[in-house]
Amino acid sequence: GAVVSQHPSRVICKSGTSVKIECRSLDFQATTMFWYRQFPKQSLMLMATSNEGSKATYEQGVEKDKFLINHASLTLSTLTVTSAHPEDSSFYICSASPQGGAINNEAFFGQGTRLTVV
Amino acid sequence: AQKITQTQPGMFVQEKEAVTLDCTYDTSDPSYGLFWYKQPSSGEMIFLIYQGSYDQQNATEGRYSLNFQKARKSANLVISASQLGDSAMYFCAMREVSGGFKTIFGAGTRLFVKA
Repeated sequence: GAVVSQHPSRVICKSGTSVKIECRSLDFQATTMFWYRQFPKQSLMLMATSNEGSKATYEQGVEKDKFLINHASLTLSTLTVTSAHPEDSSFYICSASPQGGAINNEAFFGQGTRLTVV
Repeated sequence: AQKITQTQPGMFVQEKEAVTLDCTYDTSDPSYGLFWYKQPSSGEMIFLIYQGSYDQQNATEGRYSLNFQKARKSANLVISASQLGDSAMYFCAMREVSGGFKTIFGAGTRLFVKA
């Protein structure tokens, strides 16, 4: 099956620094990728839709200046958590569907990134 | 308003028995897809089964089947012959054509399989 690779799997950073998380589709092209955030024992909350070659679409309540998304190619989207603070500590996970996604296209997920801000 | 509702925060099942995880959804879009994912403690999301809104028959994938009742807007997951490795979080999710193909998740149900 299709593979989405997310890196790093774990990161610990100091408060005030920025962290970049990469999401790559390894064997298919994805015009659209999605970024989710998951707090412990909670569901996946959609943060934003990453669109190749254009600006990301953020969900209500998500700070676009805090969570910068760049989708520079059909196989790579990055999420940068800027000026991270302890409350940004969470599990971040990306997903992608093959280009021309249809309603029944399975969304493939990255392995997730556990961010801890100290 | 909640689009996906999973009312069972936790469920227990005896090994080798069947278990049903409930999911109801809300949409006015005639074209949508319903998914179930398993999330073990490692955090990865594992796709289990898919049901399209126009599908006439209930989806089945090995030990997983989806009890799709369109009029009631429910899409319950049935796991037959539970195994210890089935212990995990289970998420019901939906994708609507009108929603730009983004996948929206329910709150999840934690399943515990007892030996």
